[in-house]
Amino acid sequence: AQKITQTQPGMFVQEKEAVTLDCTYDTSDPSYGLFWYKQPSSGEMIFLIYQGSYDQQNATEGRYSLNFQKARKSANLVISASQLGDSAMYFCAMRELPTDSWGKLQFGAGTQVVVTP
Amino acid sequence: DTAVSQTPKYLVTQMGNDKSIKCEQNLGHDTMYWYKQDSKKFLKIMFSYNNKELIINETVPNRFSPKSPDKAHLNLHINSLELGDSAVYFCASSQELAGSTDTQYFGPGTRLTVL
Repeated sequence: AQKITQTQPGMFVQEKEAVTLDCTYDTSDPSYGLFWYKQPSSGEMIFLIYQGSYDQQNATEGRYSLNFQKARKSANLVISASQLGDSAMYFCAMRELPTDSWGKLQFGAGTQVVVTP
Repeated sequence: DTAVSQTPKYLVTQMGNDKSIKCEQNLGHDTMYWYKQDSKKFLKIMFSYNNKELIINETVPNRFSPKSPDKAHLNLHINSLELGDSAVYFCASSQELAGSTDTQYFGPGTRLTVL
């Protein structure tokens, strides 16, 4: 079964607007980590932001914030003030309990974001 | 300085050949990984090593053999290459297997094309 679901295959956003990328996850483990990565057209995978399951506050890193709703099992990425350089594929990923997953990340299918002037 | 590096960046080869991809990290991390990204951009774990010990082997064909000579290096050797092996292969590393510092940092990827 798919552990990470990203329902938006692609989206357009205008420069300087905010955009929310959806991510829902499925786990019964109490301890897990949620990650977002950016993959621009050049191909590298860039770590953006991390949220631990026990973290009380939503994670923020510069223009990136994670809207973590534990009861709903969602971890949406919010990019504020979009820039042309934000055009990329964005992946949500989860790491479950270490003894079950031994550190492996399980990725969603990704959301392609295109920022327009 | 590059944190996680891979060589080569591109690899084009014929079916049946044997090839290797090398990965090195200078972050001082204990754990390294190989992921495969298919043509639909889906990423899947292949292997992970912790302190040179194999931890995950995610039902990968025996033709794929990882080797970790030391904590900073994790190489991937592929025998008898098949068309379906064409993909982008990413190396990654993290300080721990899991915990507050288990963020995985990825290399630039190696695009393998099997003809």
